[in-house]
Amino acid sequence: EAGVAQSPRYKIIEKRQSVAFWCNPISGHATLYWYQQILGQGPKLLIQFQNNGVVDDSQLPKDRFSAERLKGVDSTLKIQPAKLEDSAVYLCASSLDGAGGYEQYFGPGTRLTVT
Amino acid sequence: TQLLEQSPQFLSIQEGENLTVYCNSSSVFSSLQWYRQEPGEGPVLLVTVVTGGEVKKLKRLTFQFGDARKDSSLHITAAQPGDTGLYLCAGENQGGKLIFGQGTELSVKP
Repeated sequence: EAGVAQSPRYKIIEKRQSVAFWCNPISGHATLYWYQQILGQGPKLLIQFQNNGVVDDSQLPKDRFSAERLKGVDSTLKIQPAKLEDSAVYLCASSLDGAGGYEQYFGPGTRLTVT
Repeated sequence: TQLLEQSPQFLSIQEGENLTVYCNSSSVFSSLQWYRQEPGEGPVLLVTVVTGGEVKKLKRLTFQFGDARKDSSLHITAAQPGDTGLYLCAGENQGGKLIFGQGTELSVKP
């Protein structure tokens, strides 16, 4: 069974530029998560989708971050414009369901460096 | 706001030593999960503990959930270089959301 796929794996941009990350979850997983992991910290949930609907985006900085999962499968996370403090690893995870009790499977992440 | 405090943040030991990592909170969680993350990879689930006082063993790793379901510990016996990595605890709240600790960076030297 293929795992969670993410691309690109690395991205370096200048502040005020825009960037987009892509995630393809495990086939059949209804729930998709985007996490931000700053160096030296644990992952922090940015947004959770159930199929193509948003369940929780309370910690997403909506003035610069946006995410979509239009067909309920793959998802994109965009940052525009980027700030220095956005430098982090962006992890995508998926699970069969988001109701709790279901294992989340993580992708390898995209390491973003903002200079 | 639910928080999980992990300690220590960094641990460097020799092969064969034992170690314990702690994960503490003032909040009650539905379950507590432990992950291991290697450089350039996402976290991989090691174990989930659900019942207060529960103890689970995974080879040389022993996981315990506190009686009040607010804290947990991970004990590694006779650590090996292959155990090197970032260990993360995560509490699952009533809504199914995971709250992660800041992680413990373990280095086991041969």
